[in-house]
Amino acid sequence: AQRVTQPEKLLSVFKGAPVELKCNYSYSGSPELFWYVQYSRQRLQLLLRHISRESIKGFTADLNKGETSFHLKKPFAQEEDSAMYYCALSTTNFGNEKLTFGTGTRLTIIP
Amino acid sequence: GAVVSQHPSWVICKSGTSVKIECRSLDFQATTMFWYRQFPKQSLMLMATSNEGSKATYEQGVEKDKFLINHASLTLSTLTVTSAHPEDSSFYICSAFNLAGSSYEQYFGPGTRLTVT
Repeated sequence: AQRVTQPEKLLSVFKGAPVELKCNYSYSGSPELFWYVQYSRQRLQLLLRHISRESIKGFTADLNKGETSFHLKKPFAQEEDSAMYYCALSTTNFGNEKLTFGTGTRLTIIP
Repeated sequence: GAVVSQHPSWVICKSGTSVKIECRSLDFQATTMFWYRQFPKQSLMLMATSNEGSKATYEQGVEKDKFLINHASLTLSTLTVTSAHPEDSSFYICSAFNLAGSSYEQYFGPGTRLTVT
């Protein structure tokens, strides 16, 4: 069975400093990895997915199959980045496969 | 963008009663919807996959007779918590896939907070 691990429950970073939220996964096949974000009092929304290979709101994430990781990075943190971040895995890329979520990391940007 | 709504946003019910939660895709059709449960300060746990026109697929450990799922149309799935007990108190979230275009993105509802007294 697949599993997603986010080792940090809480992460505080000063504004302007680099941010890295860690995500590791276990799955024997080729997974599709996602980062979801939940801002205060808002619903969960997709931030980015590894197959898109794009940068959203300055965030990037690279799938490292050797290390089975999909860490989320941003070079300069902004106050509006404070939110709950969830890493998730899907076992197909057809779109209608269920997601396995990590436990989430609460990111707080210190002004 | 695609919008998923849930109703009600919160509900309080007495132990032993049943509660129905609706999940609607407002501007797209969803053949597949998912129901999650989230305990305080914990992650989303998938409960079941709701398939339009067929039976739901439940995850291991989820009682299908307690959590009844109906996906009668391409825009509506319902979750009924039957004979609710205090341990069923939780935040229930649904999601739906918009297969239009090439994004294959899963959209989440705002959640329903259930409190069983």
